[in-house]
Amino acid sequence: ETGVTQTPRHLVMGMTNKKSLKCEQHLGHNAMYWYKQSAKKPLELMFVYSLEERVENNSVPSRFSPECPNSSHLFLHLHTLQPEDSALYLCASSQDSPGRMNTEAFFGQGTRLTVV
Amino acid sequence: QKEVEQNSGPLSVPEGAIASLNCTYSDRGSQSFFWYRQYSGKSPELIMSIYSNGDKEDGRFTAQLNKASQYVSLLIRDSQPSDSATYLCAVNLSSGAGSYQLTFGKGTKLSVIP
Repeated sequence: ETGVTQTPRHLVMGMTNKKSLKCEQHLGHNAMYWYKQSAKKPLELMFVYSLEERVENNSVPSRFSPECPNSSHLFLHLHTLQPEDSALYLCASSQDSPGRMNTEAFFGQGTRLTVV
Repeated sequence: QKEVEQNSGPLSVPEGAIASLNCTYSDRGSQSFFWYRQYSGKSPELIMSIYSNGDKEDGRFTAQLNKASQYVSLLIRDSQPSDSATYLCAVNLSSGAGSYQLTFGKGTKLSVIP
């Protein structure tokens, strides 16, 4: 098993659809993250879960809804997305909690999302 | 606003040369610095971490940190075509109340010409 696994790898959805992205980590980490990577923009942190509690990023639209049922799994529920939400969505995990300085993240392969 | 800045490139170097990638950051309190490599269509891969001033070497890669100048760099010796990728600088920036957030630069695209 690879360290951080994301499914699906590619997703095309209409603006009225509801879909979910899944992430699973096999590294025994206690923090998980969702990042968005759009063309020509830096990686944007969307959500952080530490010890299964959410540290919310208030700038993320409510059409994105995260869920962390346990320390190994993370979901991103999508509904009524816009075409500008098309991007690469990356899941990551780390060994330390976000409150500690020396946090290095390990990434999954990402889900390439296209909203039509 | 706390930021991580990189020259977006592209940076082109001939095979066998030294590639030098630079990054500046705005938060003087930052203590953790990382370099990630991202091949086209792939996810970022951690290649170096550095926490103290000075140089840290790992094979052909050397990370250099200067906290006084708020500057971190990555040197790639004997560059190979397989090093062609986008290199992302990441810094743990303070997000307030004792919390830190891993913040990425836009990345520098490196092309190694055979």
